[in-house]
Amino acid sequence: AQSVTQLGSHVSVSEGALVLLRCNYSSSVPPYLFWYVQYPNQGLQLLLKYTSAATLVKGINGFEAEFKKSETSFHLTKPSAHMSDAAEYFCAVSVGGAQKLVFGQGTRLTINP
Amino acid sequence: GAGVSQTPSNKVTEKGKYVELRCDPISGHTALYWYRQSLGQGPEFLIYFQGTGAADDSGLPNDRFFAVRPEGSVSTLKIQRTERGDSAVYLCASSLSSTGANTGELFFGEGSRLTVL
Repeated sequence: AQSVTQLGSHVSVSEGALVLLRCNYSSSVPPYLFWYVQYPNQGLQLLLKYTSAATLVKGINGFEAEFKKSETSFHLTKPSAHMSDAAEYFCAVSVGGAQKLVFGQGTRLTINP
Repeated sequence: GAGVSQTPSNKVTEKGKYVELRCDPISGHTALYWYRQSLGQGPEFLIYFQGTGAADDSGLPNDRFFAVRPEGSVSTLKIQRTERGDSAVYLCASSLSSTGANTGELFFGEGSRLTVL
């Protein structure tokens, strides 16, 4: 069965610094991979998704993620953090186009002024 | 409305009581999903509907949990004989369809927080 591991339940960076949120997946077949973000008091919203096209995926708000099959990773990055990026981020996987997303435990991102 | 609407936003009940949670999806979205999120955890899949039928209910934890979508729009998650372990945020999401380019592109509501005393 597929699964997702997010390394680090809390990440703290300074405003303007690089953001790196780690996600590793486990799947025996090519997966679809997603990053969702949850801002305080809001529902989850899709940041970006990988569906076997380009391995570098660009999303909203300057975020991007790179699919690395050899490392079974799909890490999320942003070159320069902004205070508005403070939120909880979830990596998710689905297999074979299935709608049953399996989510990681989430990483809470804090931005220091 | 513009987004997925869930009611109530908060529900406190006593152990053993019956609870209903309602989800109103985005207009025109044919697929609807229920997830459960416990404190400090990611969302956990419960069930999804394509139209009126439950396409996958493999995540429902036991037969105390049941969900319906009789007209292919609004859905109700029903929990019988609630237990303290049912306390969580119940999330509803919808999507344009369950296949193709929209795979995995879910629009979530803000959730219904259930507390069982």
